[in-house]
Amino acid sequence: ETGVTQSPTHLIKTRGQQVTLRCSSQSGHNTVSWYQQALGQGPQFIFQYYREEENGRGNFPPRFSGLQFPNYSSELNVNALELDDSALYLCASSLEASLRQETQYFGPGTRLLVL
Amino acid sequence: GNSVTQMEGPVTLSEEAFLTINCTYTATGYPSLFWYVQYPGEGLQLLLKATKADDKGSNKGFEATYRKETTSFHLEKGSVQVSDSAVYFCALSEGGSYIPTFGRGTSLIVHP
Repeated sequence: ETGVTQSPTHLIKTRGQQVTLRCSSQSGHNTVSWYQQALGQGPQFIFQYYREEENGRGNFPPRFSGLQFPNYSSELNVNALELDDSALYLCASSLEASLRQETQYFGPGTRLLVL
Repeated sequence: GNSVTQMEGPVTLSEEAFLTINCTYTATGYPSLFWYVQYPGEGLQLLLKATKADDKGSNKGFEATYRKETTSFHLEKGSVQVSDSAVYFCALSEGGSYIPTFGRGTSLIVHP
């Protein structure tokens, strides 16, 4: 069974640029959630995709967008990068959208540095 | 809104010491509660969870009991090891919500 994988592992961009981060969910999982984890903070929920549709969104501006593909892998796109976007971006997959009973499995993250 | 408050770290212990990391929460309903662990350079791993009042979650020697009356979910371990050094996050998910709320994390450092 393959776990959650993310690419790239590290990335350096400059302000105003655009970035795409990728996530492959665990085999059989149809739900992917994205989180931003700033240094010294807990993860903040960005959005979730369930069966290729956005299923909920946290308090992030529209320049944060995403996609989920038929194989349930996912992309996070961030436009017009700002210095405060520097963070660890985590992807998590689960079998269903509700977290009350379901366990999320996290990937190792992509560390983004915006200069 | 929902919130999770954890004790500030770092918590520094000697090997085989008893560990408690405090976590309290605020929620409007009846949340599920989680503890996650993040080892250096890695993503989060679910450590344990409890879905209703008085449930006890346990894993790898760690335990936490869902206390509705005190809105708490404190993490405990009887004898820590150096390999337990990591950052521990308390989190909640309310009802059928897919939007979890995490605490800020508590760093644990265990010395030999």
